[in-house]
Amino acid sequence: AQSVTQPDIHITVSEGASLELRCNYSYGATPYLFWYVQSPGQGLQLLLKYFSGDTLVQGIKGFEAEFKRSQSSFNLRKPSVHWSDAAEYFCAVGEPSTYKYIFGTGTRLKVLA
Amino acid sequence: KAGVTQTPRYLIKTRGQQVTLSCSPISGHRSVSWYQQTPGQGLQFLFEYFSETQRNKGNFPGRFSGRQFSNSRSEMNVSTLELGDSALYLCASSLASSGGGETQYFGPGTRLLVL
Repeated sequence: AQSVTQPDIHITVSEGASLELRCNYSYGATPYLFWYVQSPGQGLQLLLKYFSGDTLVQGIKGFEAEFKRSQSSFNLRKPSVHWSDAAEYFCAVGEPSTYKYIFGTGTRLKVLA
Repeated sequence: KAGVTQTPRYLIKTRGQQVTLSCSPISGHRSVSWYQQTPGQGLQFLFEYFSETQRNKGNFPGRFSGRQFSNSRSEMNVSTLELGDSALYLCASSLASSGGGETQYFGPGTRLLVL
């Protein structure tokens, strides 16, 4: 069955430090891949997405993600974290043949001043 | 362009009651998906509608149902509420010209508390 794994439930980084959030997926073919961010009390906002082509994807707010087919991973990175990045981050897979999206359980990011 | 709106934002119900949640998608979007978000389970897919037809359904009991109207607005209904139904219910809309590849735009959610 298709699945998305975010192995880190919580991550704490200092402001200005680099960030990498991990995402691994299980899917038979190359899926569509997404990263969303959710601030407290809010819905989800799309950070970036990968459909095909260049495996390094740029998103909003200075985020980027790299698709690695051999590792079935789609890790999210940011070179310098800001206090406003504190939120919960979700990786998701969209199945090309259906109308279904599968989400990971999320990684909650805490930023230390 | 207005975003996805969900009403009500907060609800308190008691066990055994039923509840109806509403979602208005972004103008021009024809697909609406519903998710249940809980701290332990993350986002769980409930169902997806396109042009008033349910195209996909998650693994939820029949107490959870939905529908979509001709203007693409959608409602979901939960009957015979249980304590475990307490969650944030999120609605997402997309253009849905292709399966699984569309960007979904999420509403702020309806927080349901079942007592």
